[in-house]
Parts: sequence; structure tokens; C-alpha cells
Amino acid sequence: DTGVSQDPRHKITKRGQNVTFRCDPISEHNRLYWYRQTLGQGPEFLTYFQNEAQLEKSRLLSDRFSAERPKGSFSTLEIQRTEQGDSAMYLCASSLGGDSAEKLFFGSGTQLSVL
Amino acid sequence: GQSLEQPSEVTAVEGAIVQINCTYQTSGFYGLSWYQQHDGGAPTFLSYNALDGLEETGRFSSFLSRSDSYGYLLLQELQMKDSASYFCAVRSLDSNYQLIWGAGTKLIIKP
Repeated sequence: DTGVSQDPRHKITKRGQNVTFRCDPISEHNRLYWYRQTLGQGPEFLTYFQNEAQLEKSRLLSDRFSAERPKGSFSTLEIQRTEQGDSAMYLCASSLGGDSAEKLFFGSGTQLSVL
Repeated sequence: GQSLEQPSEVTAVEGAIVQINCTYQTSGFYGLSWYQQHDGGAPTFLSYNALDGLEETGRFSSFLSRSDSYGYLLLQELQMKDSASYFCAVRSLDSNYQLIWGAGTKLIIKP
């Protein structure tokens, strides 16, 4: 169990640029989640995968955001035409299903700063 | 819509007991989770309650009352390393069973 890995740890970009983040979940975990967290707030749900299928996406999420999990293993989150309001910590989490589904394991996150 | 309320900050003394409350409003409640997050760190799972009652895991316990839409996290024998933010999170029909998180309670522990 090497834990959930996220890359990069920090990303600074200019407004209007595209950015992509990567998440490697715990290998046997079939569920993968993306969250966004700003200072002083709890994580905000963005999207959820079960294996390679994207089963849920936040209704509040702009269509500039897209996520993939092509082979049911790692996942990428892309933000197109970044805005200053996108500045946040982007967290990835994974879990097993069934009785263990409630225990999410989080990565250390990618801190995005949009200038 | 749904909402979660928890105190923004709680202060306690090392060795003492502290309770962090969480009240929620939602439809189709499924369960309540608690997570710990140290400054600059990732959230770490502490506990999950789907049924009424107390769940105990070492120094930490979590309680749920579905009829009162209320839960709490109880931390005993506080240690300095327990200084962190604690989040309650609810899974419900309102959110298509995805976790919706409170704003967190910052626990400050004094020696």
C-alpha cells in the first residue's frame, strides 16, 4: 500500500491556460474521487469514478473541467481556460467498494494558483 | 438543499476530553463520516456512522442520532498531535450519495 499519489504538488499558471493533474489511487481501489478545497472550507465534491466509468459529476462543475480514468487505474483532471477562481487545492481520493466504501484515502493534493 | 453546521473552532487542554458537534439538514440521509486534517495535510478518515449510537475507535468515538439530525466526535486523552481540523461529512440522496462536507472545526490544544 503506497497510498494515493498526486502530481504535481504545486502548479502555478496564468489565467486562460490549461492545466492537467494526475492521480494514482491505491492499486486495488476501484473507486476514485476528485475534490476541491479552499482555505477554511471542507472539500467540495467534483466527480466520481467506479473503475473506468465516470458515474457522478457535480452539477456545479463548469464544463471547463473534465476528468478521465481510461483504464480504471490512474485518473487525470483537466481544467481548460483557467480562471483565478479555480485557485484551490485539488484532492484525489480512492476507496474500495462494499463495506469499505466509506473509508476514503486521500492524496496530498495539487495546489493550483492561477495568476 | 442540504447544510451541515459545526463550530469553527474549539479549544481544549492536553489530557482533557472534547466534543465536536455536527448538525445536518438533508433528505434521504445515508451516513455521517468524520475526517481529520492537519494543516497542509490530506484528510484522514476517522469514523463512519449509519445507525444511531456510539462507535468507538481507540481515543476517538463518534455518535449519531438520526432523529435529531445530529452527531458528534468525542476525543479523549487529548494529545498535542490532535491539533487539527475536524470535518463532518454527510452522504444523502440530496447529493446523489456523494459526500458533502462541513466547513470544519479547528481544534486548538493548549498544554
